[in-house]
Amino acid sequence: KAGVTQTPRYLIKTRGQQVTLSCSPISGHRSVSWYQQTPGQGLQFLFEYFSETQRNKGNFPGRFSGRQFSNSRSEMNVSTLELGDSALYLCASSPTVGGEETQYFGPGTRLLVL
Amino acid sequence: QKEVEQNSGPLSVPEGAIASLNCTYSDRGSQSFFWYRQYSGKSPELIMSIYSNGDKEDGRFTAQLNKASQYVSLLIRDSQPSDSATYLCAVNTDSSASKIIFGSGTRLSIRP
Repeated sequence: KAGVTQTPRYLIKTRGQQVTLSCSPISGHRSVSWYQQTPGQGLQFLFEYFSETQRNKGNFPGRFSGRQFSNSRSEMNVSTLELGDSALYLCASSPTVGGEETQYFGPGTRLLVL
Repeated sequence: QKEVEQNSGPLSVPEGAIASLNCTYSDRGSQSFFWYRQYSGKSPELIMSIYSNGDKEDGRFTAQLNKASQYVSLLIRDSQPSDSATYLCAVNTDSSASKIIFGSGTRLSIRP
């Protein structure tokens, strides 16, 4: 079974631009979560989607948004990019939601904001 | 206070010895606990999950959970150089969803 895939793998943008990242979960997985990883802040939870609905959201500004499609694929959008948005963005999928569900991570999208 | 705390290390352990990684969490209602391993430049991969108090063993890895003390640990027996990585402790704070809070990670180095 193929793992979680994320596109693009690398991205360079300039301040003020917007960016859309894509995540395809493992086949059959319906829950997708997004994380931001930076050297200073570590791995931080952005949001979680299940059945096209956002179920949980972390402490990020409204510039960060996401959505999930009926095939469970998910996109994350960041508008008005800031230098501090440079990070590794990780997507993780799990079969369903719930405290005991294991999340499987994709390879990540490395975003550099200049 | 951070929700999930780990000693950042680096923790240096000789090959063949036991590596002990520790983590504390603040949300007493947390139910699910995970250890992930992350090699430099790679994404995290699950090592162990634990949901009940006590020990859970899987090969060379043992996870220990003490909910009363809000403490979870990971022991790695017979440490190998390939175990050198950053180990992330993660806690799901929502029993009905997936809202996983990660610690900042402990960098483990196994010296030959």
